[in-house]
Amino acid sequence: QKEVEQNSGPLSVPEGAIASLNCTYSDRGSQSFFWYRQYSGKSPELIMSIYSNGDKEDGRFTAQLNKASQYVSLLIRDSQPSDSATYLCAVNLGSARQLTFGSGTQLTVLP
Amino acid sequence: GAVVSQHPSWVICKSGTSVKIECRSLDFQATTMFWYRQFPKQSLMLMATSNEGSKATYEQGVEKDKFLINHASLTLSTLTVTSAHPEDSSFYICSAIPSTDTQYFGPGTRLTVL
Repeated sequence: QKEVEQNSGPLSVPEGAIASLNCTYSDRGSQSFFWYRQYSGKSPELIMSIYSNGDKEDGRFTAQLNKASQYVSLLIRDSQPSDSATYLCAVNLGSARQLTFGSGTQLTVLP
Repeated sequence: GAVVSQHPSWVICKSGTSVKIECRSLDFQATTMFWYRQFPKQSLMLMATSNEGSKATYEQGVEKDKFLINHASLTLSTLTVTSAHPEDSSFYICSAIPSTDTQYFGPGTRLTVL
């Protein structure tokens, strides 16, 4: 079982719709969770971090964390073509501040 | 804030040569930096954790004698790919942590070994 799992996609949504990205992790002791966006040929850029159960909102992005179910999700409201990218879920499994990344979900927002 | 730079952004070299990649934290000090490698259509794979003033910690399967890491100051870590071969061609990305545990990534270095 992979430590951090994401649906690889591709996920396609129409412009203006809500895109929902999901991630599960295996280590119940994980404390820190991150969503990164990676455009093709570029390095990852941080979208959000979340540490506590519940929702965290930042503009059009909402991260949701459920430690009991070991999942973290990212909702993108009013999706734009510029949101088309690969979204990486990353989890700090507790050792030396290292992150373990999921394989990423490729999102395409159709104009 | 939290800007990380890398140099060069791309490099092409002949097989058997060595290539040095620099990673700098521009507006903060970083006692810990990380080096990743990413092959096309794959996710990031952690290669090593670079600690200022001490030896790097390498992940399983990463040859420490081939990928030399030096973290000589709080703002600079270097990765040297020694005796590079075509299979080393990849996208190398560093990251650094300004505080807590949030990693910020450099723009990456694309290495092509002919």
